[in-house]
Amino acid sequence: QQQVKQSPQSLIVQKGGISIINCAYENTAFDYFPWYQQFPGKGPALLIAIRPDVSEKKEGRFTISFNKSAKQFSLHIMDSQPGDSATYFCAASKETSGSRLTFGEGTQLTVNP
Amino acid sequence: NAGVTQTPKFRILKIGQSMTLQCTQDMNHNYMYWYRQDPGMGLKLIYYSVGAGITDKGEVPNGYNVSRSTTEDFPLRLELAAPSQTSVYFCASSYQAGRANSPLHFGNGTRLTVT
Repeated sequence: QQQVKQSPQSLIVQKGGISIINCAYENTAFDYFPWYQQFPGKGPALLIAIRPDVSEKKEGRFTISFNKSAKQFSLHIMDSQPGDSATYFCAASKETSGSRLTFGEGTQLTVNP
Repeated sequence: NAGVTQTPKFRILKIGQSMTLQCTQDMNHNYMYWYRQDPGMGLKLIYYSVGAGITDKGEVPNGYNVSRSTTEDFPLRLELAAPSQTSVYFCASSYQAGRANSPLHFGNGTRLTVT
């Protein structure tokens, strides 16, 4: 089974703090790593994604850091806001072969005001 | 443009009953998927389809069946419902599979309780 391991399962951060969610993967053939964000009562939606040819990608307050040698990638949310409270899923696939996404277990983020 | 629409939003079933979860998309996507979401377990793929008339099993297909007679619709059938099928079910679609320019579009889910 090609797995993606995600931690922590839940995270509580104060407003203005930095939220960090980590993922580790096993299959070195994976070459596409997206993060999905899910608000309560809604389906997940693509937040940000990275390919392994870069070590970091930033979009606004959201940054993905990628460590190919360690087979790990992480999501950093800077200046966390209560509106960021959601469940976050990392995922991975072998984009070049069009394989389906393998999802991590999810992290429930709560940002306290 | 409604995206991916799932019905019903909520359902309570008794053990042994059957039901069909409906999913339709209006984006002309070839790929469609059914996932179940359980706390701390992430999204597990039940079945998927790469086009009308073509379906295949995912990670957790036991107890479920699907059909894909049109590009738009991908219903999920539960036969002989069991408590282990209590979950939130998500339908999703994409133009291609696992590609950066083809994200998954999810519906808002069906919360199913089997008692």
